[in-house]
Amino acid sequence: GNSVTQMEGPVTLSEEAFLTINCTYTATGYPSLFWYVQYPGEGLQLLLKATKADDKGSNKGFEATYRKETTSFHLEKGSVQVSDSAVYFCALTAVSGGGADGLTFGKGTHLIIQP
Amino acid sequence: GAGVSQSPSNKVTEKGKDVELRCDPISGHTALYWYRQSLGQGLEFLIYFQGNSAPDKSGLPSDRFSAERTGGSVSTLTIQRTQQEDSAVYLCASSLGPRKNTEAFFGQGTRLTVV
Repeated sequence: GNSVTQMEGPVTLSEEAFLTINCTYTATGYPSLFWYVQYPGEGLQLLLKATKADDKGSNKGFEATYRKETTSFHLEKGSVQVSDSAVYFCALTAVSGGGADGLTFGKGTHLIIQP
Repeated sequence: GAGVSQSPSNKVTEKGKDVELRCDPISGHTALYWYRQSLGQGLEFLIYFQGNSAPDKSGLPSDRFSAERTGGSVSTLTIQRTQQEDSAVYLCASSLGPRKNTEAFFGQGTRLTVV
């Protein structure tokens, strides 16, 4: 079946630090990959996505590159802000597992940015 | 509507009682998902609907859980004879589907507490 593994949290950084949140996946076929973010007190929302190998998704200064050879989709940001404090979920969709269009999520990484 | 709407936002129930959770997806979205988010457990897939049918019910944790969707729109998740371990935030999402790179939009969730 499909699965997503992401680094355990919480991850605590100082403002303006470089961020990497690791994500690796197992899937049949060629999945699409996503990062979702959940800010405190809010619902999950899409942060970025990539639909094929070597694609780079980007949004709000965050980037992630679809690496088929390493089955990874690591999230990076060059300079984090306090407002980036949230829980980040790596996810994938694939034809098999979780339904024809189901999302498989990682457990989430709680990111805390200190001023 | 403008977004995915879930009701109630909070529900406290006594152990052994039945509860119904409601999800109104975004108009025109044919795919609908239910997930459960427990503290420290990440997102757990429960069920996926495409239109009124549920091609994947594999995530329902026990036969006390059931879900239906009528008219290709509103969905209800029913938990019978609730147990304390059912306490969690239940999230609903919808997407245009059934394309694997389709973004899913999440509701704010229903926080269920079984006492």
